[in-house]
Amino acid sequence: EVQLVESGGGLIQPGGSLRLSCAASGFTVSSDYMSWVRQAPGKGLEWVSVLYSGGSTYYADSVKGRFTISRDNSKNTLYLQMNTLRAEDTAVYYCARTRISTLYYFDYWGQGTLVTVSS
Amino acid sequence: EIVMTQSPATLSVSPGERATLSCRASQSISSSLAWYQQKPGQAPRLLISGASTRATGIPARFSGSGSGTEFTLTISSLQSEDFAVYYCQQYNNWPPAFGPGTKVDVK
Repeated sequence: EVQLVESGGGLIQPGGSLRLSCAASGFTVSSDYMSWVRQAPGKGLEWVSVLYSGGSTYYADSVKGRFTISRDNSKNTLYLQMNTLRAEDTAVYYCARTRISTLYYFDYWGQGTLVTVSS
Repeated sequence: EIVMTQSPATLSVSPGERATLSCRASQSISSSLAWYQQKPGQAPRLLISGASTRATGIPARFSGSGSGTEFTLTISSLQSEDFAVYYCQQYNNWPPAFGPGTKVDVK
């Protein structure tokens, strides 16, 4: 059974950094494509970043240069390093297993972790 | 960038009735469209990919149709567990983008 469990969210001041984790089971993160998708409180969904099985990474313009997606194959875990955080980054962050057909859609999602950027 | 729109914003339906949700892309996306269901406090769940292919374990009462710029999600007979927000998402053009959602609530 595919499971994704995020952790690492919390309250952080503007300009601060945070690292999110997503522990996977039931499949191998390094053999699949993996993404982060976020949802601001009461709002819709926004794709943030993708990590290909081959190691390539891509980002939404809103986070490019500030966020870094990575994985630890030995721990079967995906990460999102978030630097220079802004109030508009406040959201629930979901990790999602990603399917490729032209671009990306998402077949399994974690339960999410809330990041609140506020002073 | 492709802009996704969904209508209506809210759809009030009685249990057992049919629900028809619309999704429109600002330019053609072929059949590169997915639908997701999200219940309060839960993660989204993939319902449909490729505009019309049900994901694993999705009941047959959910069906998707359309191509190009106009898409439809139909729930043939609403069950109590189907009251939720539904999002469409295009994955044909960069960046992948979601619609604003349609909330299906009890009439």
